[in-house]
Amino acid sequence: GAVVSQHPSWVICKSGTSVKIECRSLDFQATTMFWYRQFPKQSLMLMATSNEGSKATYEQGVEKDKFLINHASLTLSTLTVTSAHPEDSSFYICSARDPRLAGVGEQFFGPGTRLTVL
Amino acid sequence: SQQGEEDPQALSIQEGENATMNCSYKTSINNLQWYRQNSGRGLVHLILIRSNEREKHSGRLRVTLDTSKKSSSLLITASRAADTASYFCATQTQGAQKLVFGQGTRLTINP
Repeated sequence: GAVVSQHPSWVICKSGTSVKIECRSLDFQATTMFWYRQFPKQSLMLMATSNEGSKATYEQGVEKDKFLINHASLTLSTLTVTSAHPEDSSFYICSARDPRLAGVGEQFFGPGTRLTVL
Repeated sequence: SQQGEEDPQALSIQEGENATMNCSYKTSINNLQWYRQNSGRGLVHLILIRSNEREKHSGRLRVTLDTSKKSSSLLITASRAADTASYFCATQTQGAQKLVFGQGTRLTINP
């Protein structure tokens, strides 16, 4: 099956710094990737849809200048949390659709990145 | 926005028993999917049911969909300790790629 990886799996940073999280599709090319955040014991909230070669589509209420998304290749999307604050601490998960499964809505998820901002 | 509501929010049963989780949603959908998440991990796709389907099976999983009531259920039969996880339903509308997740059910299987 399709495999999606994330790096790093966890990161601790100081308030005010920027953190980059990578999401890679390992055995398929993903024209579309998705970024979610998840608070403890809560559901996933879609932050943005990342489109290869074009601008990301952000969900309502998500600050695009704070959460920068770059989908520069068919296997890599990055999420940069700029000027991180403690309230940005969360579990960030990416997912991707395998275009070989056209018409099927299944998404393949990365293992997640736990961000802690001190 | 979170479209789905799931109940119960938490379920604890004995190993070998069946577990049933329910999901309700608000808008018309193209398909509904169920995912499992082990603590602190990513999500694993379990099963997808299309809007024109009423029931689907996969191993010990049975999913039903009632579009008139905008609800779905996930049944796990003969539960095992390894089934302990959070289970989420997610809906996809026609023409959209994104998924909208429900609040999830935390399932605990006691040995």
